[in-house]
Amino acid sequence: EAQVTQNPRYLITVTGKKLTVTCSQNMNHEYMSWYRQDPGLGLRQIYYSMNVEVTDKGDVPEGYKVSRKEKRNFPLILESPSPNQTSLYFCASSRDRALSGANVLTFGAGSRLTVL
Amino acid sequence: GQNIDQPTEMTATEGAIVQINCTYQTSGFNGLFWYQQHAGEAPTFLSYNVLDGLEEKGRFSSFLSRSKGYSYLLLKELQMKDSASYLCAVRERGGSQGNLIFGKGTKLSVKP
Repeated sequence: EAQVTQNPRYLITVTGKKLTVTCSQNMNHEYMSWYRQDPGLGLRQIYYSMNVEVTDKGDVPEGYKVSRKEKRNFPLILESPSPNQTSLYFCASSRDRALSGANVLTFGAGSRLTVL
Repeated sequence: GQNIDQPTEMTATEGAIVQINCTYQTSGFNGLFWYQQHAGEAPTFLSYNVLDGLEEKGRFSSFLSRSKGYSYLLLKELQMKDSASYLCAVRERGGSQGNLIFGKGTKLSVKP
């Protein structure tokens, strides 16, 4: 089944304790992206990657890191989490970032993170 | 700048028709998407418009007017399972080439 898999789905952690949210897709997609979703703010892009070893900042990159060493994986790293990073996180992928066509984003199931 | 507006909440009755509007102002335009998101779940793709006009897909239709920066999603024969948030997203042409900008979503409640 074609899918985007995120782990963990739920996590409660404490301020300053480094954590990684993994994301893996099995569709050979070139483009991958991380979003956070907060009440009243909608989906906001954190980082995106157009291909292996190519990453770029989205609208809210502060406090996050990413890497894209393999095409299928795009982990999100919080080096020193803070309470304002408590949110619902979604990883998404698409075939490419082509400027034409219904290049649809496929989303993972989400990771609900709470930082105390 | 980028701005996408849609109503925060709407309520409709089972079996009825509802129209969810979306207006946008972006520095370039290369397509508009509608996604459905049930509470606590991932957004799923509903429709895509890049040219003016109406796209129909079963009970769901989406309309686009590029000159007015306006789109709507039309849901017919509403069912209880249509209770969800509906996200309007615009793909820009230009600097951020192809990234989607999402609106804040419209939470639709369908009542019996």
